[in-house]
Parts: sequence; structure tokens; C-alpha cells
Amino acid sequence: DAGVTQSPTHLIKTRGQQVTLRCSPKSGHDTVSWYQQALGQGPQFIFQYYEEEERQRGNFPDRFSGHQFPNYSSELNVNALLLGDSALYLCASSPLGPYGYTFGSGTRLTVV
Amino acid sequence: AQRVTQPEKLLSVFKGAPVELKCNYSYSGSPELFWYVQYSRQRLQLLLRHISRESIKGFTADLNKGETSFHLKKPFAQEEDSAMYYCALTESGGGADGLTFGKGTHLIIQP
Repeated sequence: DAGVTQSPTHLIKTRGQQVTLRCSPKSGHDTVSWYQQALGQGPQFIFQYYEEEERQRGNFPDRFSGHQFPNYSSELNVNALLLGDSALYLCASSPLGPYGYTFGSGTRLTVV
Repeated sequence: AQRVTQPEKLLSVFKGAPVELKCNYSYSGSPELFWYVQYSRQRLQLLLRHISRESIKGFTADLNKGETSFHLKKPFAQEEDSAMYYCALTESGGGADGLTFGKGTHLIIQP
């Protein structure tokens, strides 16, 4: 089992552009969450998807949006990129329930 | 608002010494607490959950609701314990809600 896989691993974008990050959950997991981790900080919860719907959302603007597909994979979209969006974006999957998450290695986004 | 505080950014102890990584939380409901660990060049992984009351790699953590703390302890540190440790909480009650993380503590075990 490959666990949680994310693509791409690194990405450089220009301020104002749009970006899409992708995540495939661990086999058997149906819930996908996205986190933003700035340098020197803990991960911050962006949102969670279950059954193709946004189930819960953290304190992030509408520029951050997502999608979950029938095979449980997910995308994170960020519009109108700001320099402050530069961070490591982590995807985590779990079964629905208090089982703890399995994290991917992340996508390092740099906005210039 | 829920908050997790890890007061130490860096903790350095000698091999064989006891380790305690502090975690305090602020939460109005009934929380579920976790410790996650990230070893060098590896992904974030679950170390332990308070509801399972288990000991992983010699680490234990007790939820103290009176002091709103969930400190991570190990009686004898080993060099392979060097890593970043994050305390996290979520609402308990069956749902896989989003986690609120602390800023992390970098643990260094000196030989």
C-alpha cells in the first residue's frame, strides 16, 4: 500500500496565478483533509472532504477550494495566489471516525 | 476558539535521561488528543491517541482535564527519538474532524 500520495512534490507559481494540488488517499480511507504548514509552524486545517462534499472547513478564505472524486481522491485549488500562500500543503486521509490520520509527504508551493 | 500550546520550540536531553514534551490545550468541548511525530526526511505520522491509552516506542501521554494538558513522556530517551513532535486535538464523538496542531517541539537526543 503506497499510503497517501501527493503530486506534485514541488511547485513554483507567480503571484496572482492559480494552482491545483492532488492527493490519493490510503486504500480503504474515504475521508480526505488538507493542511497548510508554513515554515516553523504546525499544520493548519484547511478543509475536509467526505462523500464528495466539504464536511468541515478551517479559517481559510474562499480562494481555497477543493473537490473529492468518487474514487476518494481529492484536489486542492488556490486562486489568486499570494506570497503568503507559500507553504507545505499536506493531505491526510482516514476512515470516518476517531482513528487518526495518515499523512502524505506534502507539496511544497513557492509563490514568487 | 480551540488552541494547542507547545511551550518549548527546542528540547535537548541526553540519551538515557527522561523526556517530557509539554502540551496544553484550550477547548470548550470534549477534546480528543493526539501526538504526531516527524522524523528527519519522513512524513508526519501518528504516535499515539489518548483514547487508546497505549504506549508507543516507550512514550506515554495522560490527558489531564483539570490542567488541560497532554504531556508526552518517556523514562529513558534514545537517540532515535530525535524528531519534531506535534500535539493536536479534535472534537471527540466519532467524527474525523480537522485537527488543531501546536507549533511543535524539536526534540534532540544527545549521545
